[in-house]
This record gives sequence, structure tokens and C-alpha cells, in this order.
Amino acid sequence: AQSVTQPDIHITVSEGASLELRCNYSYGATPYLFWYVQSPGQGLQLLLKYFSGDTLVQGIKGFEAEFKRSQSSFNLRKPSVHWSDAAEYFCAVGRDDKIIFGKGTRLHILP
Amino acid sequence: DGGITQSPKYLFRKEGQNVTLSCEQNLNHDAMYWYRQDPGQGLRLIYYSQIVNDFQKGDIAEGYSVSREKKESFPLTVTSAQKNPTAFYLCASSIAQGAHGYTFGSGTRLTVV
Repeated sequence: AQSVTQPDIHITVSEGASLELRCNYSYGATPYLFWYVQSPGQGLQLLLKYFSGDTLVQGIKGFEAEFKRSQSSFNLRKPSVHWSDAAEYFCAVGRDDKIIFGKGTRLHILP
Repeated sequence: DGGITQSPKYLFRKEGQNVTLSCEQNLNHDAMYWYRQDPGQGLRLIYYSQIVNDFQKGDIAEGYSVSREKKESFPLTVTSAQKNPTAFYLCASSIAQGAHGYTFGSGTRLTVV
């Protein structure tokens, strides 16, 4: 069955520190991969996406993600977080008619 | 600017009443989706439509109904049969099938009082 796992429900990092959010998926073929961000009470905004080609993809707001086929992972990274990055982050996979979302990781930033 | 508009932002419903959530897009997207979001549950798909006058049930369709009479509009009705309707509802759209990623509306928070 297709699934997306985000193993960390909450992550807390200090402002200026580096960040990595984990995402693993189970899918029959290589899916298209996405990361979205959601601020409280708002919709989801697309940070980046991977379809094919270079496995390291750059997104908005200084985020990047790396696709590792052997590990079925698509982890999100940022070298230095800002207080405004505090939000919930969703990994998603899809290929055909719809996308499957993980349950999300809430990021907290310490001043 | 193109985008998806959900209205209203907040909605209160008495038990036993039906209520309709609006979703309109001017992106010329073919596919539209309704998700329900509860704390710790992520996004769960209610219904989706890939073309006008056609739609499919998602994972939690019971107690909900939709219509797709126009490409731009995909309203969701929460019926009295939905036992726990209090949630945050998100509408999304995409070019053709969903593989290119979704554009989301800003959501409607429905509360049963």
C-alpha cells in the first residue's frame, strides 16, 4: 500500500541552527515527491518538488531536499532556520490521480 | 492573481443541519480536491474531481457530498450524517492529474455548536 511516514511529530531547533525533517515513503514506482509548509490556520504552500533528474532539489525560503531511492527517503533541509520557519511541514508523494500526505512535523524555533 | 478562494473562513453549524463550503479557483485547473484536517491526523481526502460532472470518493467520504457543475467550482456539503464534522477543511486544485502538485485554498474552519 502507498504510504508516507514522517517519524517526527515535533522538532525543536534553535534559531540559526540547521534543520533536517525526515520523510520516508512506500510506493510501487518512483513517485513524484513534495514538501509543503502550513502556518496556523492557513492552507498549504508548496516548498519544493521532485519529479526526476538531479536528486537534490532547491525550493523556496532557502529549503532543499534530497531524494534517496535506496532509502525511499526525501528529507527536507535548511542550513540556518529563522523564527519565521516555525510551522507544520508535510511530505507528500503521488504519481497518478492524487497525492498522499504524511501526518506532518511541527517545527518549533527557540530564540 | 490566480488562486483558490474558500469561503467562509469560519463557519458554525448546529447539530442536524447541512452546511455547504465554497471553493472557487481561477487557475484553469482540471482537478479539484477536498481534504479534512484534524490535529495529529494530517490531511485526509474526502472527495476529488478530475473533470466537470465527475467526482470520486476519497478515504472519508461518508457524511459528505460534492458537485462539479463548473470547472471553477467544487462545493462541499457537510450533511447531518457526518457525526464529527468539526474540523479544518482544505480545498486544492491541480493541472490535470495531481502529479504536478496542488495549489491550496486558505481553508474553512467548521465548528458544530
